[in-house]
Amino acid sequence: EVQLVQSGAEVKKPGESLTISCKGSGFSFTTYWITWVRQMPGKGLEWMGRIDPSDSYTHYSPSFQGHVTISVDKSISTAYLQWNSLKASDTAMYYCARRFGGSYLPWGQGTLVTVSS
Amino acid sequence: NFMLTQPHSVSESPGKTVTLSCTASSGSIASNYVQWYQQRPGSAPTTVIYEDNQRPSGVPDRFSGSIDSSSNSASLTISGLKTEDEADYYCQSYDSNNEGVFGTGTKVTVL
Repeated sequence: EVQLVQSGAEVKKPGESLTISCKGSGFSFTTYWITWVRQMPGKGLEWMGRIDPSDSYTHYSPSFQGHVTISVDKSISTAYLQWNSLKASDTAMYYCARRFGGSYLPWGQGTLVTVSS
Repeated sequence: NFMLTQPHSVSESPGKTVTLSCTASSGSIASNYVQWYQQRPGSAPTTVIYEDNQRPSGVPDRFSGSIDSSSNSASLTISGLKTEDEADYYCQSYDSNNEGVFGTGTKVTVL
């Protein structure tokens, strides 16, 4: 079964750092780009950026460039989303998804990040 | 900026047919594939249509997608509505930088 499994929910304070993960299985991890998507509470889906696991090339949305870092460890089929200094406005659900042809398929189950003092 | 606009909400009775629209702000809707995702409350999105009109395995044929170049929009049609279809639906395509763009989302209520 093709699936993406994300790390568990996190509660952090403003200014703290955080890395969440997305582990792929059931497919050749280096063949497909991995994308990260944000969903703020009660809001829609926002495309953050993507990475090519074969060469770690990344592309970010201008809205997220410089605030997050996407990386990958292809030896363990895992992609990461990292913050160096969290803000309260980073509170959201974060999803990873595999780019399959023109689509995102499948999606991870999501990681809830709560940033509060 | 390339945007995809969807109606905020739609309601219909079980057994009926509902069609959701997704209108592109600029360029041609046909230039890139359009996908549709279903998101039930408290769950991750799942793909119901990819590459304009393809259904992933396991998605019933009650779901169909199409493109209308004359209105520069894509549509998702759900026939034989069931209560389990109640969810938010998002269209998605790509901009000129190959960045993903999601529609504003439509909440489907099955009365």
